[in-house]
Amino acid sequence: GEQVEQRPPHLSVREGDSAVITCTYTDPNSYYFFWYKQEPGASLQLLMKVFSSTEINEGQGFTVLLNKKDKRLSLNLTAAHPGDSAAYFCAVRISNTGYQNFYFGKGTSLTVIP
Amino acid sequence: GGIITQTPKFLIGQEGQKLTLKCQQNFNHDTMYWYRQDSGKGLRLIYYSITENDLQKGDLSEGYDASREKKSSFSLTVTSAQKNEMAVFLCASSRTGVGNTLYFGEGSRLIVV
Repeated sequence: GEQVEQRPPHLSVREGDSAVITCTYTDPNSYYFFWYKQEPGASLQLLMKVFSSTEINEGQGFTVLLNKKDKRLSLNLTAAHPGDSAAYFCAVRISNTGYQNFYFGKGTSLTVIP
Repeated sequence: GGIITQTPKFLIGQEGQKLTLKCQQNFNHDTMYWYRQDSGKGLRLIYYSITENDLQKGDLSEGYDASREKKSSFSLTVTSAQKNEMAVFLCASSRTGVGNTLYFGEGSRLIVV
């Protein structure tokens, strides 16, 4: 089955610096990709949903890059601020499965130091 | 928009006790899920349900029962609570279809004493 590996598990950056979180996956039929943000004590909130047809996706203050050849998905926070401190999870869904499951990475705990 | 409400936020029980977590959603979503979140292990699927009265086992179903009483509610029972099961349990829902987004509740923390 699908294997999703997320790196790094912990990341600490200074305010204004960039932060990069990467997920690699194994199933070539992976088609839908998601990034979630979880603030302490709160639920997972969707940051962005990416389809395999689009390689670069820009959000507010971040960019999601999808490299299908290398089976790699990355979340790039361009100028981190303390409000970005949270746990981030990637998730992958496979296009040809009837099993209604998301495959999650183990998460990255990001700390932005003021 | 909609919301997923999980109750209780904290569930404290004794070892061996049967404990139940409840989840309600007003998105009118067909599919509902229960995940367990352990620190450093990500999210693992316990049960999911694609419609009322349907139940499907996930990777972590042993030791748990679930019930989809109606479209808007999905409950999870820990059949015999153990201290190594202390974790956050997340309820989620989505529309049917592979590309649809998963929406989460705020979680219920299980504490076993």
